[in-house]
Amino acid sequence: AQSVSQHNHHVILSEAASLELGCNYSYGGTVNLFWYVQYPGQHLQLLLKYFSGDPLVKGIKGFEAEFIKSKFSFNLRKPSVQWSDTAEYFCAVKAKAAGNKLTFGGGTRVLVKP
Amino acid sequence: EPEVTQTPSHQVTQMGQEVILRCVPISNHLYFYWYRQILGQKVEFLVSFYNNEISEKSEIFDDQFSVERPDGSNFTLKIRSTKLEDSAMYFCASTEDIQGAKNIQYFGAGTRLSVL
Repeated sequence: AQSVSQHNHHVILSEAASLELGCNYSYGGTVNLFWYVQYPGQHLQLLLKYFSGDPLVKGIKGFEAEFIKSKFSFNLRKPSVQWSDTAEYFCAVKAKAAGNKLTFGGGTRVLVKP
Repeated sequence: EPEVTQTPSHQVTQMGQEVILRCVPISNHLYFYWYRQILGQKVEFLVSFYNNEISEKSEIFDDQFSVERPDGSNFTLKIRSTKLEDSAMYFCASTEDIQGAKNIQYFGAGTRLSVL
């Protein structure tokens, strides 16, 4: 069965700092990859996705992620965070041969200090 | 932007009681899902539903759980006899399709279930 790992449980940083959140998955076949964000009290919102093509994908709010197939990774980045980026971030994988369910990482809580 | 809505936002129940969690998926979506997140743990897939049938379910989704689309808009998760370990946040999601660019799951804000 596939699994997804997010390296950091908590990240604290100051405004304007750069953010990188790691995500690795274990599955050898074709995958779709997602990053979701959950702001306090709100629903899980899609930040960006990778289905195929250019491995560097851009999402909303200045986020981007790079799919490195050889490393089974899909790390999320933002060059300069804002206080409003305080949220929990979830990496998720859909393995093509494993139905349509999403397998989630454990989430990373990001706190941006003003 | 259309949203998946879930009610109630918080449900408190006694052990052994039945609960029904409700979801209204996005109106043109055809595939529906339930996930749960026990406090401090990962979001876990429970079940997917399409064309009035369960299309996939996890080991967690045992005989105590059932899903239904009672009308054209609601999608419900029923837990027949709740246990303490059912306490979790339950998320509903829907997708328009399972192919290509439409295969994006949109989530509701969740229902927090507390079993006492």
